[in-house]
Amino acid sequence: SQQGEEDPQALSIQEGENATMNCSYKTSINNLQWYRQNSGRGLVHLILIRSNEREKHSGRLRVTLDTSKKSSSLLITASRAADTASYFCATVATGANSKLTFGKGITLSVRP
Amino acid sequence: DGGITQSPKYLFRKEGQNVTLSCEQNLNHDAMYWYRQDPGQGLRLIYYSQIVNDFQKGDIAEGYSVSREKKESFPLTVTSAQKNPTAFYLCASSLGRFQPQHFGDGTRLSIL
Repeated sequence: SQQGEEDPQALSIQEGENATMNCSYKTSINNLQWYRQNSGRGLVHLILIRSNEREKHSGRLRVTLDTSKKSSSLLITASRAADTASYFCATVATGANSKLTFGKGITLSVRP
Repeated sequence: DGGITQSPKYLFRKEGQNVTLSCEQNLNHDAMYWYRQDPGQGLRLIYYSQIVNDFQKGDIAEGYSVSREKKESFPLTVTSAQKNPTAFYLCASSLGRFQPQHFGDGTRLSIL
């Protein structure tokens, strides 16, 4: 079952603009992770935010987490053509047998 | 450089044939995973292993088998019982169950 649902499904922006991607989930989580996938390649881990954290930064990436709304957002500032990729949120639910569960992803296109 | 190596990059299967996808990691990670990715979809978990000589079924294990005889290696066999095997297969590893996963660059399996 896929817990994370990303929004929008596709996003096209101009280089230099900011890109905001959203993820909603259904059950309580231990942590939420964002990954990037370039076409035909494996996923690359971007950032992990724990359930007791509200915001994390890594370079041009900013992730927020609102556990009351069961949602997260990924902001990429000053986007570059090289940011063109699919972005996935993935959640680890609370519970002994929980696994990392991925959403369907957001396709980001950054126009030069 | 530490990482995960998947081979082959492309694989073709004939009717009634079993094929094995290789996954090797030199990250000294205990946990390893196999995912299936279909076009426009997120990742679905096939099998995972948290320790040598132990593995568990994921969400879509039917028609697949795995082994974990060495910490570094987690091969996946797609059996003839898997009627719709055409997909992109991704192997991943992590230090622990809640930790970020590192991915290989995938094997694309097609039917001849």
